[in-house]
Amino acid sequence: GENVEQHPSTLSVQEGDSAVIKCTYSDSASNYFPWYKQELGKGPQLIIDIRSNVGEKKDQRIAVTLNKTAKHFSLHITETQPEDSAVYFCAAMAIGFKTIFGAGTRLFVKA
Amino acid sequence: EAGVTQFPSHSVIEKGQTVTLRCDPISGHDNLYWYRRVMGKEIKFLLHFVKESKQDESGMPNNRFLAERTGGTYSTLKVQPAELEDSGVYFCASSRDRGALSGTFGSGTRLTVV
Repeated sequence: GENVEQHPSTLSVQEGDSAVIKCTYSDSASNYFPWYKQELGKGPQLIIDIRSNVGEKKDQRIAVTLNKTAKHFSLHITETQPEDSAVYFCAAMAIGFKTIFGAGTRLFVKA
Repeated sequence: EAGVTQFPSHSVIEKGQTVTLRCDPISGHDNLYWYRRVMGKEIKFLLHFVKESKQDESGMPNNRFLAERTGGTYSTLKVQPAELEDSGVYFCASSRDRGALSGTFGSGTRLTVV
């Protein structure tokens, strides 16, 4: 069946450094790739997304890249801050169909 | 607008008992989704309602799980009888458009079966 692999499972960075989380998807029909941030005691919150007709998208300190040929997509956080500490989930879907999530990356940003 | 509300936030039950989780979606959102995350694993799709109809229930683990959305408003997910492997966090999400492109998640219900 369809699956999304996410790496690393845990990531620890120093405040101000960059963090990169990588995902690989299996379903070639996937055309929408959202990223979610889950803080303690809360549900996942959409932070950025990218569609298959775009290779890169940026929103302030967050950027996503997509390589459709390789079925890879990545989340890049620059100038990390302690409040970026959370669990991040990547996901892939064919629009109109169910969302397949990765297993999550726990990001620690050390002050 | 109020967000997606789930309750209870936590539930601890014994194996064999019944538990009912509730989700109140954002008003006007016809699409409602249930997901589950078992410790350290991915968030897995359970099912999708469009109004009161089950659009896709391919993720439901087995017939011990029953989801309803009478009247197309709030939804319940009942587990009967609960087993140890049912433990996890159950999330509900709702969206105006199909596919949760703009889906908003609730805070989840942490279910522990002992």
